[in-house]
Amino acid sequence: AQSVTQLGSHVSVSEGALVLLRCNYSSSVPPYLFWYVQYPNQGLQLLLKYTTGATLVKGINGFEAEFKKSETSFHLTKPSAHMSDAAEYFCAVTPRGKLTFGTGTRLQVTL
Amino acid sequence: DTGVSQDPRHKITKRGQNVTFRCDPISEHNRLYWYRQTLGQGPEFLTYFQNEAQLEKSRLLSDRFSAERPKGSFSTLEIQRTEQGDSAMYLCASSRGDSLIRHNEQFFGPGTRLTVL
Repeated sequence: AQSVTQLGSHVSVSEGALVLLRCNYSSSVPPYLFWYVQYPNQGLQLLLKYTTGATLVKGINGFEAEFKKSETSFHLTKPSAHMSDAAEYFCAVTPRGKLTFGTGTRLQVTL
Repeated sequence: DTGVSQDPRHKITKRGQNVTFRCDPISEHNRLYWYRQTLGQGPEFLTYFQNEAQLEKSRLLSDRFSAERPKGSFSTLEIQRTEQGDSAMYLCASSRGDSLIRHNEQFFGPGTRLTVL
């Protein structure tokens, strides 16, 4: 079975500050891990994914995440937040098919 | 635009009525997924199809819910005798399904927001 825990349902950062959204997972098999972003009243857009290979993965819009097996973590970071980054972010895990999502973290970016 | 489309985008219905949603996947994708997202939660898996075959159903999918993909292209999700607890966003996603080993990215539609009064 798989599960995802996202620490912090709301995160607020200033524009230009570091963004750190936390995700821990549990999986009975080697996982594939994902971060999705959701803007209001829209579907989900894939930011980045880890399947195999390099543990530091880069995604769209300047986001990146590092897979740390020893910590069962896949935290999402961005060096400098933009106002346009304000959205809901979901971490997800899958063995090889259906996705299991966390409860989401709402990112607020302030001036 | 060749993305995943869903219809309708919004549906308001009265408790006890039946509703049907449609999903059109990306044309070359043979896997199609349905998820449900309630307010403040992440999406939860409901069911998925490989071509026209429904291969897995979640325990969330009660007997009031039925999904079909008759020709392996578009899919419908029907909810009979709707209840207020069915109010949610229903998301559809599609992906290639050419490997049992490699995960293929799921592309999501915009969702259908259901409100049951």
